[in-house]
Amino acid sequence: NAGVMQNPRHLVRRRGQEARLRCSPMKGHSHVYWYRQLPEEGLKFMVYLQKENIIDESGMPKERFSAEFPKEGPSILRIQQVVRGDSAAYFCASTTRGGLQETQYFGPGTRLLVL
Amino acid sequence: AQSVTQPDIHITVSEGASLELRCNYSYGATPYLFWYVQSPGQGLQLLLKYFSGDTLVQGIKGFEAEFKRSQSSFNLRKPSVHWSDAAEYFCAVGGDSNYQLIWGAGTKLIIKP
Repeated sequence: NAGVMQNPRHLVRRRGQEARLRCSPMKGHSHVYWYRQLPEEGLKFMVYLQKENIIDESGMPKERFSAEFPKEGPSILRIQQVVRGDSAAYFCASTTRGGLQETQYFGPGTRLLVL
Repeated sequence: AQSVTQPDIHITVSEGASLELRCNYSYGATPYLFWYVQSPGQGLQLLLKYFSGDTLVQGIKGFEAEFKRSQSSFNLRKPSVHWSDAAEYFCAVGGDSNYQLIWGAGTKLIIKP
């Protein structure tokens, strides 16, 4: 029973390029959360999605960031025109149902480095 | 504003010694409280959670935590640590009014042989 998969594990981009981060939830899970972790800090909520729906994107920066969770395939976090401040670890977590009473299962993260 | 404070950035304990990691929160509604562990280069794993009921919660790997409403605390404890417990530990709080978890900055646990 595979856990939450994220790829790539490490991603290097130059300023101005695009970064696409993928998250495949656990089998049977239809809810995905994305978090960002800056060095020496805790996680910061970015967005919560169900299949084909964005439920809560209040933690997403207003520009350059977008997320989707299509009916088929992984959830994608997309960062356009990356800047050095986007360098961080990005984690996704999945649950079977919505609500914080559901245990969130985390992927190993994608470490993004912007040069 | 909602917040979670983990006052200790690093803690060093000897193998076999007891452990307590502190977590204080500020949350206006009834809190849901969580402790997660993160090993180097890995994702986070849930150790335990509290929603209601008995304020002493048992988790995996021999950990427990106690919710003290009067102190707004949810400290994590383990009676005897093992070298494999070396990791970073995160406390988080949320509520049934939204989908967001608010996270502490983490405490790095170092185990001395």
